[in-house]
Amino acid sequence: TQLLEQSPQFLSIQEGENLTVYCNSSSVFSSLQWYRQEPGEGPVLLVTVVTGGEVKKLKRLTFQFGDARKDSSLHITAAQPGDTGLYLCAGDGVGTYKYIFGTGTRLKVLA
Amino acid sequence: GAGVSQTPSNKVTEKGKYVELRCDPISGHTALYWYRQSLGQGPEFLIYFQGTGAADDSGLPNDRFFAVRPEGSVSTLKIQRTERGDSAVYLCASSRQGKTGELFFGEGSRLTVL
Repeated sequence: TQLLEQSPQFLSIQEGENLTVYCNSSSVFSSLQWYRQEPGEGPVLLVTVVTGGEVKKLKRLTFQFGDARKDSSLHITAAQPGDTGLYLCAGDGVGTYKYIFGTGTRLKVLA
Repeated sequence: GAGVSQTPSNKVTEKGKYVELRCDPISGHTALYWYRQSLGQGPEFLIYFQGTGAADDSGLPNDRFFAVRPEGSVSTLKIQRTERGDSAVYLCASSRQGKTGELFFGEGSRLTVL
């Protein structure tokens, strides 16, 4: 069974601080996606990484896929209140389009 | 429509009743997914379709849960003899077939079993 564990589970920080969210598994994934979800809405894709070691940047967000394609991280620089939300990683197993979601990290950025 | 549409948005039912949740995906998307999400947690995979067939239904918790997609577009998730533990938000997502397919989610159907 493929599992994706995220840490931390909750994070409350002040505006302007930096943070990193981790997504770990013992399984290899073909690709790893990061989503953000607001209350009452479905998750919205932020980025997809497909190559081991790949790093992608989206404004103040930096995403990295582990060399072995088993883990990923999301780093936010100078967090803003608008970054508040539930961050989810999701991976699809090798040879399948079945996407498994991580346990989630709830981020709150205080002004 | 432009996005994934799910109905009803809210459903309150009594224990033991039957419910159906509908998902209308983005036109042309061949893959359709159902997930269940409890408050503050990540979505839990239930089933996904490629076209009309269920490509993987390993996440359905038991035989009370069943999903269909008869014409390869709209899908219905059916829950028989509902239990209080079935209360959750049921999310549907669709995707173009492809290695790095983005999942486009609906807003979900919130099911409450009293």
